[in-house]
Amino acid sequence: QSALTQPASVSGSPGQSITISCTGTSSDVGSYNLVSWYQQHPGKAPKLMIYEGSKRPSGVSNRFSGSKSGNTASLTISGLQAEDEADYYCCSYAGSSKVFGGGTKLTVL
Amino acid sequence: EVQLVESGGGLVQPGRSLRLSCAASGFTFDDYAMHWVRQAPGKGLEWVSGISWNSGSIGYADSVKGRFTISRDNAKNSLYLQMNSLRAEDTALYYCAKERFLEWERVNYGMDVWGQGTTVTVSS
Repeated sequence: QSALTQPASVSGSPGQSITISCTGTSSDVGSYNLVSWYQQHPGKAPKLMIYEGSKRPSGVSNRFSGSKSGNTASLTISGLQAEDEADYYCCSYAGSSKVFGGGTKLTVL
Repeated sequence: EVQLVESGGGLVQPGRSLRLSCAASGFTFDDYAMHWVRQAPGKGLEWVSGISWNSGSIGYADSVKGRFTISRDNAKNSLYLQMNSLRAEDTALYYCAKERFLEWERVNYGMDVWGQGTTVTVSS
């Protein structure tokens, strides 16, 4: 049950697109198209942004999209806005458990 | 309003026990799996445990297996986490979270409702 690997930080300017990667193994990300993504602002509870790899819950902007290739899942945010600045976490089913990534701090310059 | 409210956190000495509770409202509690997720100060999220709608499927992170027990009482719309043999590394904000499906295994529909958390501090 090792944590999934995410970059510690990414940054982008308003209007740009950024991608956050989430690398696991063939026992978690690679075996299941079952990755979810969460946004967490400081002092707040996490918010679900993507589930089942690429699906958006109702109310989440279509600027957020998810994908997967092999053992790596990705979250792309297009048209960056100031309010997107937050921590982002991926989460995968890992066979009788779930595992989160270490988190990525997104800075909007 | 859909809501989860955690309680039961506090300061506890290493080796002692604590029981967390999570009260659910605004949705049909027994239609969904539930989770406990924790976040140590300044650190990332860590999945702790999950339980299916009817308690038929339960899982734990390796870091708490054998020490923590998850349970639910659908009649009381409540989720629990019994934490025994607590260690300093269990110090964290503990969140209760709702899965968007009645099962949590082999699915990842996501955790769409979260409480505000209850703080557990393990220290002598």
